[in-house]
Amino acid sequence: DAKTTQPNSMESNEEEPVHLPCNHSTISGTDYIHWYRQLPSQGPEYVIHGLTSNVNNRMASLAIAEDRKSSTLILHRATLRDAAVYYCILRDWNTGFQKLVFGTGTRLLVSP
Amino acid sequence: DGGITQSPKYLFRKEGQNVTLSCEQNLNHDAMYWYRQDPGQGLRLIYYSQIVNDFQKGDIAEGYSVSREKKESFPLTVTSAQKNPTAFYLCASSSTPRTAGGGETQYFGPGTRLLVL
Repeated sequence: DAKTTQPNSMESNEEEPVHLPCNHSTISGTDYIHWYRQLPSQGPEYVIHGLTSNVNNRMASLAIAEDRKSSTLILHRATLRDAAVYYCILRDWNTGFQKLVFGTGTRLLVSP
Repeated sequence: DGGITQSPKYLFRKEGQNVTLSCEQNLNHDAMYWYRQDPGQGLRLIYYSQIVNDFQKGDIAEGYSVSREKKESFPLTVTSAQKNPTAFYLCASSSTPRTAGGGETQYFGPGTRLLVL
């Protein structure tokens, strides 16, 4: 499985933008980049995913470097509800079944 | 509302006892998964099922068993052979990976916290 590296924790103030980085230097050409987040005492929830181009949805934006060796999840205006652990995960679209490999993720702290 | 339900929210197990965690989904997904999460750690895959009447071991299947008799249901039994069962257990489902090609999303339930008495 291709590996991802994320900072252990990050802090933000409410209503400020947050940029959560993820390094994946061994990414293959067929790997999707997925982001999930897990609020305290809850199951993870899907946030966004992309392959090569930047992606936007109602929750966040995903910026993918041109060489695809890193990506950044962008929360445009952090709220207290965004305090969670954020996981960056690679998934190969050319493989049948594949598990989600969760590392320890980045714990985002949001202050009022 | 479509989603995944897990019950109970909390479960207590006595020494030598088998316990079963329930997972039900009404998303019409073929694939279902069980994960275990220890404090401060990421999720680890216990078992997964890509279709009814079929399931495979994940990374930490020892001491656990599953069944998949119905598309909507994927119960997990924690047997007495699992010596350290205290953890947060999460069930998930997704559309069939082969058809979605790696871009499919997994939907998670709210989890069951298992504690040993």
